[in-house]
Amino acid sequence: QQQVKQSPQSLIVQKGGIPIINCAYENTAFDYFPWYQQFPGKGPALLIAIRPDVSEKKEGRFTISFNKSAKQFSLHIMDSQPGDSATYFCAATSSSGTYKYIFGTGTRLKVLA
Amino acid sequence: EPEVTQTPSHQVTQMGQEVILRCVPISNHLYFYWYRQILGQKVEFLVSFYNNEISEKSEIFDDQFSVERPDGSNFTLKIRSTKLEDSAMYFCASRPSLGYTGELFFGEGSRLTVL
Repeated sequence: QQQVKQSPQSLIVQKGGIPIINCAYENTAFDYFPWYQQFPGKGPALLIAIRPDVSEKKEGRFTISFNKSAKQFSLHIMDSQPGDSATYFCAATSSSGTYKYIFGTGTRLKVLA
Repeated sequence: EPEVTQTPSHQVTQMGQEVILRCVPISNHLYFYWYRQILGQKVEFLVSFYNNEISEKSEIFDDQFSVERPDGSNFTLKIRSTKLEDSAMYFCASRPSLGYTGELFFGEGSRLTVL
C-alpha cells in the first residue's frame, strides 16, 4: 500500500517531443504528489506538485494530470529540450503523518537534439 | 536562496568502519529526513526527525544507523559498522513546519563508498 509505481523506466524522445511519465499509487491517504528532477550527481529538485483537489496543474512546459478515481498521475513535458535530459521521480505523501515521501522508481529521460 | 548543505560530498571507507554524514538544514526548518539512493535505483526513506527525536523510521534504518542533532544547525547520520551494501548516495532533506504541506528541500547528497 505504500508503493508508488512509475513507468516507463527510460524514455528517449526527439527535441520538441512530449514525453509522458506515469505513476500509480494505492494509499488513499496520500494527498500531495510532487515530481522531482534529478541530474547526475545532484540531489532531487522539485519540479511541480499537485494535490488531489485538482485534475491538472501546469507550470511552464511541465503539466501534471491527476486522476483521483484511478489513483494515477502523470507528468507531461511540452516542447522537450536536451536540457530536460534527467531522471524524473514521482512521489506521494500524506500530510497527516510524518510527511515522508514515497518515491517511484524513476524514469531516465533522454531528449535528443 | 536557502539550501540544505551536506558534507562530505564523497566518502570512501573500509567495511566495518564508522561513518558520520553531516547535514545543515535550512535554518527555520523543523523537520529533517535522511533518504538513501543506491546507484541507479529509487530514493528510499530512512528516517524522519522532529523535536529532537525520531518520528518515523523505515526497516532499512536498523541498529547500525543513528541520527542526531548535536547543535542548533547540524543534523547527522551515523553508520556504526559499515557494510558493502551501505554504499549509496545519502540525501538529507528538511521542511519548515507541521502545517506546511509542500516541498521537501533536498541537499546535493553524500556519496558513500564502502570497500
